[in-house]
Amino acid sequence: EPEVTQTPSHQVTQMGQEVILRCVPISNHLYFYWYRQILGQKVEFLVSFYNNEISEKSEIFDDQFSVERPDGSNFTLKIRSTKLEDSAMYFCASSEDLGAYQETQYFGPGTRLLVL
Amino acid sequence: AQSVTQLDSQVPVFEEAPVELRCNYSSSVSVYLFWYVQYPNQGLQLLLKYLSGSTLVKGINGFEAEFNKSQTSFHLRKPSVHISDTAEYFCAVRLFSGGYNKLIFGAGTRLAVHP
Repeated sequence: EPEVTQTPSHQVTQMGQEVILRCVPISNHLYFYWYRQILGQKVEFLVSFYNNEISEKSEIFDDQFSVERPDGSNFTLKIRSTKLEDSAMYFCASSEDLGAYQETQYFGPGTRLLVL
Repeated sequence: AQSVTQLDSQVPVFEEAPVELRCNYSSSVSVYLFWYVQYPNQGLQLLLKYLSGSTLVKGINGFEAEFNKSQTSFHLRKPSVHISDTAEYFCAVRLFSGGYNKLIFGAGTRLAVHP
């Protein structure tokens, strides 16, 4: 069964450093998402991406964040200058373009980011 | 604004007992409803979803949920749980209106099944 994959599974970085989290969505999917889950808190939406542009973003997704689909398979989340509060589990998700009615998001296993 | 409330943060239960995990939502527009499960050290896996039609939906691993529009609830049930059902369960909604694809999650309910 096809699945969303994410790399790395864990990342430790120093405050102020840039990190890139990588995701390979399911191959025929056209919508891509990033969510995050701070330890002990809710899963929160960050951004959705369709047709090579951001379709929706949350208040959390400020200028420090960016997303990119650099090629036909990868979808990345970049944090330019990490803060301590960026420590979280980051989930990538993807969905088919079956129209809003049938769309189901499939999640990857997550990248646990720790900012020191 | 939409919100999801999972009324129980933790639910302990003995193996083979029935369980119900409660979920209520608040929204001024129609929503789609989902339950996801997160096993320890794993990602989110879709258990079941309600899009339209029958208000009782069946999912994987013997789980089912019932959509109650008047009570704005989408409670998850299983008649007999196994040790392997120990996990965190998340209720989520998505707006019915086109163009808004984000999922809004509840805080999660940790189901602990004891022998």
